[in-house]
Amino acid sequence: DQQVKQNSPSLSVQEGRISILNCDYTNSMFDYFLWYKKYPAEGPTFLISISSIKDKNEDGRFTVFLNKSAKHLSLHIVPSQPGDSAVYFCAASGRNDMRFGAGTRLTVKP
Amino acid sequence: KAGVTQTPRYLIKTRGQQVTLSCSPISGHRSVSWYQQTPGQGLQFLFEYFSETQRNKGNFPGRFSGRQFSNSRSEMNVSTLELGDSALYLCASSVVLAGGVNEQFFGPGTRLTVL
Repeated sequence: DQQVKQNSPSLSVQEGRISILNCDYTNSMFDYFLWYKKYPAEGPTFLISISSIKDKNEDGRFTVFLNKSAKHLSLHIVPSQPGDSAVYFCAASGRNDMRFGAGTRLTVKP
Repeated sequence: KAGVTQTPRYLIKTRGQQVTLSCSPISGHRSVSWYQQTPGQGLQFLFEYFSETQRNKGNFPGRFSGRQFSNSRSEMNVSTLELGDSALYLCASSVVLAGGVNEQFFGPGTRLTVL
């Protein structure tokens, strides 16, 4: 069961522009959402998170937006840099449960 | 603090064999989760162990099993390997943040190839 969906398997963006990665979830019991970044040959690393009581969380170039009514969250990267090229996983967490999306491969072109 | 370690990093097996993967969590972390990563499927949750007990389980067949030891180290076993089991197997240890949320720290993974 795909409780967390990232419908775009890949995204290509020019350096300096905005990258927007999207994620949808189906389980309304999820109350915490995270984004992980994964480089080849490495495990995913935590990037940014948001609690369900908020609709926005910002950390430097990274901002996560949460729309609870639509069960949708997005990650904005501004400005995008070539070093941001990686696979981004969206994760949703409930009590003792965490589910990941399939990932979106972001390529930032110089 | 040392990060999550997984051994071996790479493994080649043939169909029908069985395999055991090992994970050592970050010191002090009592929860260990296992994931399978395949192209197009993303991270699929296998199971989670906490204090030597399986606390949560994903939708994988019984060929996939695991256990956790008293020092929180965990092993994952796959029996009767199939070609479709070829994947990157990731282990994550977690710590509970304020508000009861688990933040997971991933190891580098074990790349399993089944021939």
